[in-house]
Amino acid sequence: DTAVSQTPKYLVTQMGNDKSIKCEQNLGHDTMYWYKQDSKKFLKIMFSYNNKELIINETVPNRFSPKSPDKAHLNLHINSLELGDSAVYFCASSQRQRETQYFGPGTRLLVL
Amino acid sequence: GDSVTQMEGPVTLSEEAFLTINCTYTATGYPSLFWYVQYPGEGLQLLLKATKADDKGSNKGFEATYRKETTSFHLEKGSVQVSDSAVYFCALSDDTWAGNTGKLIFGQGTTLQVKP
Repeated sequence: DTAVSQTPKYLVTQMGNDKSIKCEQNLGHDTMYWYKQDSKKFLKIMFSYNNKELIINETVPNRFSPKSPDKAHLNLHINSLELGDSAVYFCASSQRQRETQYFGPGTRLLVL
Repeated sequence: GDSVTQMEGPVTLSEEAFLTINCTYTATGYPSLFWYVQYPGEGLQLLLKATKADDKGSNKGFEATYRKETTSFHLEKGSVQVSDSAVYFCALSDDTWAGNTGKLIFGQGTTLQVKP
């Protein structure tokens, strides 16, 4: 059973396009997160939702818009993709805020 | 703000060697500390954690002790295997304050290569 899953696993697209990444967790957790890992493997929080409510928004360009239709899902939509958006995007979840986070396998985005 | 600093990699060891990966942190409160591991092409897995000073986290032969006096959380293993080759991330979550949101702040990661 996959605890935190992401689709797609790989995404190759052209600059200027709009794309979405989906995340689902079957752990019954209340809190979900998006992290970005750059080419040097540095990880940084982007967003967090708790019970479908946005609680973290870390100075991310407004081209990035998270959406949480329910507690088990947190999607990331990116408008007008830029070269610098190329990265690995990780979804994570935790039972509650401040508890251990469990990560998905990542979505590798390449913008050409 | 809060931050985590790890030793530069890559670290290259022979099988059965002793491993230490240094991690120090800066935090305004009393954070929880974590080590995550990322195997090639995969996501992050929690390796171990410690939530208060002097706690020792351990898992799969890895250990780390939360040292408040030196603000450190160094990762150790007595005898590494080829299968331990991965990127190791130290992280903190500063959950001291009522308004804290539980975000993880990561170090830059340390690549470990273990040769047979």
